[in-house]
This record gives sequence, C-alpha cells and structure tokens, in this order.
Amino acid sequence: DGGITQSPKYLFRKEGQNVTLSCEQNLNHDAMYWYRQDPGQGLRLIYYSQIVNDFQKGDIAEGYSVSREKKESFPLTVTSAQKNPTAFYLCASSIQGNRNTEAFFGQGTRLTVV
Amino acid sequence: EDKVVQSPLSLVVHEGDTVTLNCSYEVTNFRSLLWYKQEKKAPTFLFMLTSSGIEKKSGRLSSILDKKELSSILNITATQTGDSAIYLCAGALYNQGGKLIFGQGTELSVKP
Repeated sequence: DGGITQSPKYLFRKEGQNVTLSCEQNLNHDAMYWYRQDPGQGLRLIYYSQIVNDFQKGDIAEGYSVSREKKESFPLTVTSAQKNPTAFYLCASSIQGNRNTEAFFGQGTRLTVV
Repeated sequence: EDKVVQSPLSLVVHEGDTVTLNCSYEVTNFRSLLWYKQEKKAPTFLFMLTSSGIEKKSGRLSSILDKKELSSILNITATQTGDSAIYLCAGALYNQGGKLIFGQGTELSVKP
C-alpha cells in the first residue's frame, strides 16, 4: 500500500537530548514537509523539501534540523535548542511542491519531554 | 503576515443537524484553499477550491470559495457521530513549494 509512514508513534525525550523522527513515503512524491501541531494553534510548518538534497526553513525552524538524502525519506531532528518540543509532529508529501495538488499526511509522532 | 482563521473553534451538535464551518484567509500569492478532516491523527483530504463560486460536493459534505470575501465555508448536512473530528482549513500559495498556511481548526462533536 502506498503511503507515508512515521515512526515512532510516541517518543519521550529528556531535557538536553536530540531526537530524530522518521518519515518515509512510497508515493514517489518529490515534495515533503514537516508540521508541528499544538492545541488551539493548527499546524505550523517547520521545514520542507522540494527535491533531494535541498530543503527550506518553514515558519518555526529554530531548534530543528532535517536532511533529504533520499527521495523517500525526510527525517526531522529535534535538537536541545528547541525549548518547547512537546507537540504532535506530522509529516506530509505532495507530488511536486509547485503543482496545485493536495498534501498527504502520515499518522504523526507525539513527542513528550520528560 | 499570511493568516488563516477558522470559526467557530469548537461546536457541539446532535445527529441530523446541519453545520457550517467558516474559514477566512489573508494570504499573499493565494493559489487555492484546502479542507482536511482530522480524526485523532492523520489529516485526510476533503476538498481543494481554486475558483470562486463553484461548489464542491462529496456525499453530505460540500464547500465553496468566495475570493471576493477571502473566505470559504464547509457544510455538513445530516451530521453523524462519525463526522466528529477537527476540520482544518489551509491556504496554498504560488511558488512556495507547496507550503500550506493552516487555520486553528474547528473541533466538531456530534452527539447521538
């Protein structure tokens, strides 16, 4: 089945640790995105990538890093510089970034700082 | 600053009621408006609206865009408990790599 797989579903991070969230898609989509969802704030864009080996900052990139070494994979690292990382993280993809098509979402990773 | 605002933020109705969810946008280089339904985890796509005044329909759900008023509505008729979810509205921009600007969402609860 084609789709977007995020792992893990739940993640606990200690203060000062870096953690990496996985996102893999087998839809052959060029563009991939990371959004953060907090209660009452909708989704906010962290980073996005239109092609392999290229990515751009979104609206709230501070404290996060990404890589796009393969078309199907777009991992997100939450670094210790992110002061309030507890949130629900959603990965998405679309056929091509500049085509007028919808984005498809993964099931999300819920990150909690302990 | 690009902004999308949804109202109401939450809504409780009974099965069989009709609901209207609102979305307004202030987005430079506006391309289209998208509606998603989120039940606990992954948002699922409902509609993409690009042209003003053309209603899109899927079963009991319908949506329309008004570019003059910079707004869109999502209607759900004969609501069912399975319609309970967060409904997200998002603006898509030209030449921004598919970036979406999301509203806060409307949490709909349908009681039996």
